[in-house]
Amino acid sequence: GDSVTQTEGQVTVSESKSLIINCTYSATSIAYPNLFWYVRYPGEGLQLLLKVITAGQKGSSRGFEATYNKETTSFHLQKASVQESDSAVYYCALRDTNAYKVIFGKGTHLHVLP
Amino acid sequence: NAGVIQTPRHKVTGKGQEATLWCEPISGHSAVFWYRQTIVQGLEFLTYFRNQAPIDDSGMPKERFSAQMPNQSHSTLKIQSTQPQDSAVYLCASSSDWGGAPDTQYFGPGTRLLVL
Repeated sequence: GDSVTQTEGQVTVSESKSLIINCTYSATSIAYPNLFWYVRYPGEGLQLLLKVITAGQKGSSRGFEATYNKETTSFHLQKASVQESDSAVYYCALRDTNAYKVIFGKGTHLHVLP
Repeated sequence: NAGVIQTPRHKVTGKGQEATLWCEPISGHSAVFWYRQTIVQGLEFLTYFRNQAPIDDSGMPKERFSAQMPNQSHSTLKIQSTQPQDSAVYLCASSSDWGGAPDTQYFGPGTRLLVL
């Protein structure tokens, strides 16, 4: 089936350190998956961080980057230097190009230590 | 633009009671989605409407849960005979069409339901 896997439920990183949040996907019934990262900051609603609709392309926003790798079926989220304000829950998600339904991973709670 | 509005933000019900959750999508958006979020299951898709018509309810529990969209400005999710395992945050999202294809989903703040 179609699914998104985030292996880490929680990640703790010190401020100014680099970050990788892992995401892999399975898209057995989706011909052209679109990939997303959503974020929920404390006290706020879920919001789109970045999206990539073409394999091989990279998306970026607020210093975060993610590359759509079709060979490894991965879409890891990276940041070179995290800030305390990046503490939030990050969700990887996928969707078919012409479909509305989005499939989410279980989320990764990022704690950035000052 | 007020974004997606969900009411109430918090709801406490007793076991066996009915709960109705409301969602007002962003004006002009053609699709409305309902999700349920729990610590154990994460974000689960429940159902969605496009142009007020129900399109996919594959995530809805077969019993006790129902969703409607009587007009383009609001949708409701109703849970009959609530059970403690229904306790969750229920999220509503809406999206527009972009060139005939679905655009980004915008989420509301959620309704936190607690069934005692």
